[in-house]
Amino acid sequence: DAGVIQSPRHEVTEMGQEVTLRCKPISGHNSLFWYRQTMMRGLELLIYFNNNVPIDDSGMPEDRFSAKMPNASFSTLKIQPSEPRDSAVYFCASSRIRDEQFFGPGTRLTVL
Amino acid sequence: KQEVTQIPAALSVPEGENLVLNCSFTDSAIYNLQWFRQDPGKGLTSLLLIQSSQREQTSGRLNASLDKSSGRSTLYIAASQPGDSATYLCAVRPTGANSKLTFGKGITLSVRP
Repeated sequence: DAGVIQSPRHEVTEMGQEVTLRCKPISGHNSLFWYRQTMMRGLELLIYFNNNVPIDDSGMPEDRFSAKMPNASFSTLKIQPSEPRDSAVYFCASSRIRDEQFFGPGTRLTVL
Repeated sequence: KQEVTQIPAALSVPEGENLVLNCSFTDSAIYNLQWFRQDPGKGLTSLLLIQSSQREQTSGRLNASLDKSSGRSTLYIAASQPGDSATYLCAVRPTGANSKLTFGKGITLSVRP
């Protein structure tokens, strides 16, 4: 299996621009998670889905962030408009429900 | 609210030493516990998953134990190597249908040649 696939791996954008991060979970997994990691705040769960349905989005920092999972093999995390404080590494992870969680390589986002 | 603590935050040992990384959690009502490794600039790699009904899990030179009643887990690394240098995180999943992992802040391990 190819593991969790994320794209792009690096993104540099200017403040105010829209950013879309993409994730393809491991085939057969029915839970998908979006995390953000910074030096200051560590690893934070933003949102997660079970069977393509958002279960808990309490970690989404504000309305500028949105996530979708239109089918079992694809999810997006969108930031609009982006701000410098959004700079972080964004990880997608997947699992079978309540089972071992596998992380993708991450997207390093820099907002200038 | 579940809290997960990993102390110390950093550890440096000479190559070949057997070592134990500690993880403590405040709520013993857990479903499972997972240990991860993170190399600098990389994602998290799953090392071991222990179900609440299990006492330990082993993978190669790694052995993870779980004591729910005392709220503790340990990751034992035998015969440490410089390649084991990384940050090790434990994460706890509480019981409940839609529960999510609560992560510790990790222990940064450096194994000196």
